[in-house]
Formats: sequence, C-alpha cells, structure tokens
Amino acid sequence: DGGITQSPKYLFRKEGQNVTLSCEQNLNHDAMYWYRQDPGQGLRLIYYSQIVNDFQKGDIAEGYSVSREKKESFPLTVTSAQKNPTAFYLCASSIDSVTGAIQETQYFGPGTRLLVL
Amino acid sequence: EDQVTQSPEALRLQEGESSSLNCSYTVSGLRGLFWYRQDPGKGPEFLFTLYSAGEEKEKERLKATLTKKESFLHITAPKPEDSATYLCAVQGVEDSNYQLIWGAGTKLIIKP
Repeated sequence: DGGITQSPKYLFRKEGQNVTLSCEQNLNHDAMYWYRQDPGQGLRLIYYSQIVNDFQKGDIAEGYSVSREKKESFPLTVTSAQKNPTAFYLCASSIDSVTGAIQETQYFGPGTRLLVL
Repeated sequence: EDQVTQSPEALRLQEGESSSLNCSYTVSGLRGLFWYRQDPGKGPEFLFTLYSAGEEKEKERLKATLTKKESFLHITAPKPEDSATYLCAVQGVEDSNYQLIWGAGTKLIIKP
C-alpha cells in the first residue's frame, strides 16, 4: 500500500540533545513537508522540499534542520537550539507543484509526538 | 495577511443531529481551500478541495461548500464515528507554492 510512514511514534529528548524524526513516502511524490502542531493552534510549516537536494525554510525553521538526499525520505532533526520542542510533528507530501500552477493536495503521515525529559 | 478562522472551537451533537462547521478566510485571492479530518494522535486525513465560490463536494454524510469569504462543512445525520477534529486550510495566490494557512480546527463530538 502506498503511503507515508513516520517513526518513531513517540520520541523523548533530553536537554541539549539533537533528535531525528524519520519520514518516508512511497507515493512517488516530489514535494515533502514538515509541520508542527501545538494544542489550539493551526499547523505551522517548518521546512519543505520540492526536489531532491533542495529545501526551503517555512515559518518556524529556527532550531530545526532537514535533508533531502532521496526522493522518498525527508528526515527532520530537532536541534538543541529549539528550546520548546514538545509538540506533535507531521510529515506530508504532494505530487508536484514545481510549476506553481495549482496547489496539489497534501497527504499526511501518522505523526511523531516529541516530549522533553 | 492571509488568515483562517474556524468556528466553533468545539461542537457537541446528538447522533442524527445535523449541523455545520464554519471556516472563514481572508486571502488576496483564493487558489484552493482544503478540509481535513484528524483523529486524536493521528495525522490529518484529506476530505475535500474547493477552488471557486459556489463549488460543492460531498462524501457520505459530509458536504463542503464555498463562498468568497467562507466555507461550510455540513454534517447530515452524524454518527459517533464522525467524532474528530476538522481542519480547514487555504492557499492564496500571493502565497508561495507550498504555503497553506491553517485554521485551529473544530472538535466535533457526536454522542450516541
């Protein structure tokens, strides 16, 4: 079955530690995204990537880093510089909007909940 | 500044009691409006995309409509399994190709 997988489901971070969240898709989508979800707020975009080896900052990129070495994979690292990392992290993908002509629907993975010890 | 406001924040209905959720938006020009359903602890599940005022889409007990300022998600004769948080997002013509503006969601609870 095609879809988006995220791992782990729960992740615990100690102070000063960097942690990496995994996101893999087998939908053959070009674009991938990372969002952060906090209670009572809308989803906020952290990073997005249109093609391999290229990515752009979203609204709240500070304290986060990403890589896009393969089309299928878009891991997110939460660095020690992110002082308030506790949140639900969502990865999404969409077919292709390189031309910018239309907004393709984004499909989401199951999410990773990050907690601070 | 593009903005999305969803109301109410929470809605409690009896099974079979129809109602509507509202998504009001402010954008320079609308490229698309999206509705998603999210169950607790899970990722959002895509429901509908609407592109122009007057457009309507249906799926089982759900019907989404769009005007120039807002969208409604109508729920007809809901069942307990329709309980979830419903999210609305928009993209304006002046937003970058990948930027969606999200509302905070409406939590819907259907009591048997």
